[in-house]
Amino acid sequence: DTAVSQTPKYLVTQMGNDKSIKCEQNLGHDTMYWYKQDSKKFLKIMFSYNNKELIINETVPNRFSPKSPDKAHLNLHINSLELGDSAVYFCASSQRDGGPYEQYFGPGTRLTVT
Amino acid sequence: GDSVTQMEGPVTLSEEAFLTINCTYTATGYPSLFWYVQYPGEGLQLLLKATKADDKGSNKGFEATYRKETTSFHLEKGSVQVSDSAVYFCALRGSGRALTFGSGTRLQVQP
Repeated sequence: DTAVSQTPKYLVTQMGNDKSIKCEQNLGHDTMYWYKQDSKKFLKIMFSYNNKELIINETVPNRFSPKSPDKAHLNLHINSLELGDSAVYFCASSQRDGGPYEQYFGPGTRLTVT
Repeated sequence: GDSVTQMEGPVTLSEEAFLTINCTYTATGYPSLFWYVQYPGEGLQLLLKATKADDKGSNKGFEATYRKETTSFHLEKGSVQVSDSAVYFCALRGSGRALTFGSGTRLQVQP
């Protein structure tokens, strides 16, 4: 059983397009996250939702907009894609916000903007 | 703010060699510390964690001890295998809500 799933796994698109990445977790967790991993493997938090409420909104261009229709889903919509958006995007979830709770990661979505 | 510093890779070892990947951190308060592993083409998996000083996390032969006096959480394994080849990330969760990751260390184990 897949705990945290993302679709699509690969996304190739042209500059200026709008695209979405979907994430679902079947763990019953309260908190979900989006991370960006750049070409040098560096991981940085973008957003976090706790029970459908936005709790982390890092310095990310407002072309990126997360949406959480329910506790099990956190989608990422990106407008007007730019070359610098090319990266691997990881969704994650944890049982609770903060503390020692580990985060479970999805397989990642490799976005390539041409 | 919180930060994690890892040794730069790649680390190349022969099978059955001893592994150490250094990790030091800066954080206020008492963070929880984690090691995650990323195999090629996959997402991150939790390898081990420690939530208070002097705790030792262990899993699959890997160990790390939470050393508050030296603000370190070094990863060790006594005998690596080819299947351990991956990128290893040290991370902490302090007063903030998200994980703060180190830059990752690539391990290559040769037969």
